Amino acid sequence: DVKVTQSSRYLVKRTGEKVFLECVQDMDHENMFWYRQDPGLGLRLIYFSYDVKMKEKGDIPEGYSVSREKKERFSLILESASTNQTSMYLCASSQQQGAAEKLFFGSGTQLSVL
Amino acid sequence: GENVEQHPSTLSVQEGDSAVIKCTYSDSASNYFPWYKQELGKRPQLIIDIRSNVGEKKDQRIAVTLNKTAKHFSLHITETQPEDSAVYFCAAFFTGGGNKLTFGTGTQLKVEL
Repeated sequence: DVKVTQSSRYLVKRTGEKVFLECVQDMDHENMFWYRQDPGLGLRLIYFSYDVKMKEKGDIPEGYSVSREKKERFSLILESASTNQTSMYLCASSQQQGAAEKLFFGSGTQLSVL
Repeated sequence: GENVEQHPSTLSVQEGDSAVIKCTYSDSASNYFPWYKQELGKRPQLIIDIRSNVGEKKDQRIAVTLNKTAKHFSLHITETQPEDSAVYFCAAFFTGGGNKLTFGTGTQLKVEL
């Protein structure tokens, strides 16, 4: 079974801190995604990547950046955390580059910015 | 931009009744429509999907229908059971501007005994 692992289940950070959220998948998937989940707003796409060192902006990229130095790892970076970035962050992966197919989600990181 | 609207936001049914959740999408070129179920405290998981060359798909108690002309699709759950209680998300795969999956806002389904 595909395993998508997010490094932290809960994180508490201060306003202005630089925050790294890490995601690793173990099935050699081409595509990786970062979503944030907020009540009443569903899952919103922040950034995605279809290849190593490649990144594309999603629907809400402002205030975030990403890094994909290796195929299995996709990092989300909050350069200067703000309170409105308090949210559940979900990483996902899928197999074929750019294809419309099943996403495998990680268990999420609940980030609180104080 | 791409948009997926989902209704209702909450749905309460009696055990054994049917539940229907509806979604509309904005991009007529969309070609893939999955549904995800998220139980409390767990990750979203795919329960059923449909592609644009098919009008209906069934898997046991769940079914999805697609109306491409009207740009809407629906999830149908029959003979609901307490374990169906969860948040359900529809999504549409948009092919313009970088292939990506856009989700609806979710439906909290509660199946009451």
